[in-house]
Amino acid sequence: ETGVTQTPRHLVMGMTNKKSLKCEQHLGHNAMYWYKQSAKKPLELMFVYNFKEQTENNSVPSRFSPECPNSSHLFLHLHTLQPEDSALYLCASSQEAFRGNQPQHFGDGTRLSIL
Amino acid sequence: TQLLEQSPQFLSIQEGENLTVYCNSSSVFSSLQWYRQEPGEGPVLLVTVVTGGEVKKLKRLTFQFGDARKDSSLHITAAQPGDTGLYLCALATTNKLIFGTGTLLAVQP
Repeated sequence: ETGVTQTPRHLVMGMTNKKSLKCEQHLGHNAMYWYKQSAKKPLELMFVYNFKEQTENNSVPSRFSPECPNSSHLFLHLHTLQPEDSALYLCASSQEAFRGNQPQHFGDGTRLSIL
Repeated sequence: TQLLEQSPQFLSIQEGENLTVYCNSSSVFSSLQWYRQEPGEGPVLLVTVVTGGEVKKLKRLTFQFGDARKDSSLHITAAQPGDTGLYLCALATTNKLIFGTGTLLAVQP
């Protein structure tokens, strides 16, 4: 039990589908993050939310649309994805976003496969 | 752009052996975190090192931060199958973590 829950754990979708990934944290943190983990590449930061406000968009294509309705929930809406978007998508949280030294607590990820 | 190189990329050893993995950067770190990611799970923080020359121990794991704060190492003594996983170092900047390329460790029983 990591305190950060991601659903679904696995998702297979076609390129024209629309789906959403969900992340929920039970740690009372104020910052949440989306990362992409592909084979043979370092973990890539996608988005950062601090107190529900987006503070970082790491040049992510618009086919990925994040939403943070409150400090405990984070969504990643997916639309018209490409095969190269197949990866493990990890959500993380920390106490605050602008304290780089703080540990981040990760969920177990959603394994996404684009057909 | 700061880049963290980890070596080796892959390591397969027998139970009971010792090993060391490395994390190097061309830039000075303010602090560095080590994470372990087991198969099917997200990364879990092992330790944070802040001071140049610092050594921290976590049971059979010994973490060292280089004197110049540009490199770090993780030494595992008497590795066990439960140590299997992806070891990631991460550089802490003012507002995010930059992760290294990772070392995938497999410990055979």
